[in-house]
Amino acid sequence: KQEVTQIPAALSVPEGENLVLNCSFTDSAIYNLQWFRQDPGKGLTSLLLIQSSQREQTSGRLNASLDKSSGRSTLYIAASQPGDSATYLCAVTSGTYKYIFGTGTRLKVLA
Amino acid sequence: NAGVTQTPKFQVLKTGQSMTLQCAQDMNHNSMYWYRQDPGMGLRLIYYSASEGTTDKGEVPNGYNVSRLNKREFSLRLESAAPSQTSVYFCASSEAGIRSNSPLHFGNGTRLTVT
Repeated sequence: KQEVTQIPAALSVPEGENLVLNCSFTDSAIYNLQWFRQDPGKGLTSLLLIQSSQREQTSGRLNASLDKSSGRSTLYIAASQPGDSATYLCAVTSGTYKYIFGTGTRLKVLA
Repeated sequence: NAGVTQTPKFQVLKTGQSMTLQCAQDMNHNSMYWYRQDPGMGLRLIYYSASEGTTDKGEVPNGYNVSRLNKREFSLRLESAAPSQTSVYFCASSEAGIRSNSPLHFGNGTRLTVT
């Protein structure tokens, strides 16, 4: 059974710091992994999708890596800004039809 | 371009009442999903529709029914609401299923309280 863990549950950093968010999963037989951002009271916004054959994806200040064999993904945020404050969730495919979500890391970037 | 639109945004029900949550997407996506989000439990799949005319159960389907009315719309019905169904409900869509590597697009959610 696929399980997804995100550590830490919460993180506070000063503005300008580079940071890494972690996602681990138990079953390496995945099609892809997605990273999402969720603002309070809002839905999830897809940030990056990494296919199982890829090692990383980049979008602006965001870089996500995938190591299927070890069941790990990281989301790297460069030069963090207060506007990056949100909850970040990862999700991996499980079976043929669904995603399994982690419970997220709540990030606060202090001005 | 509205993306995924959910109505209502908030709802309070009494135990035993019924209601339908509406979802519509304007991205011509084939696949649509209903999730619930509960504190400490992440998002869990209730039902999904791989394409127009098909629906299938997810992880937590008990107490819910769905209708894929057409390609755009996917509704979720609670026939007899229970306090355990207090949650935030999200509708999502994707161009195709999970094997296609198309990202999920989410609505802003319906916050449901059952008293």
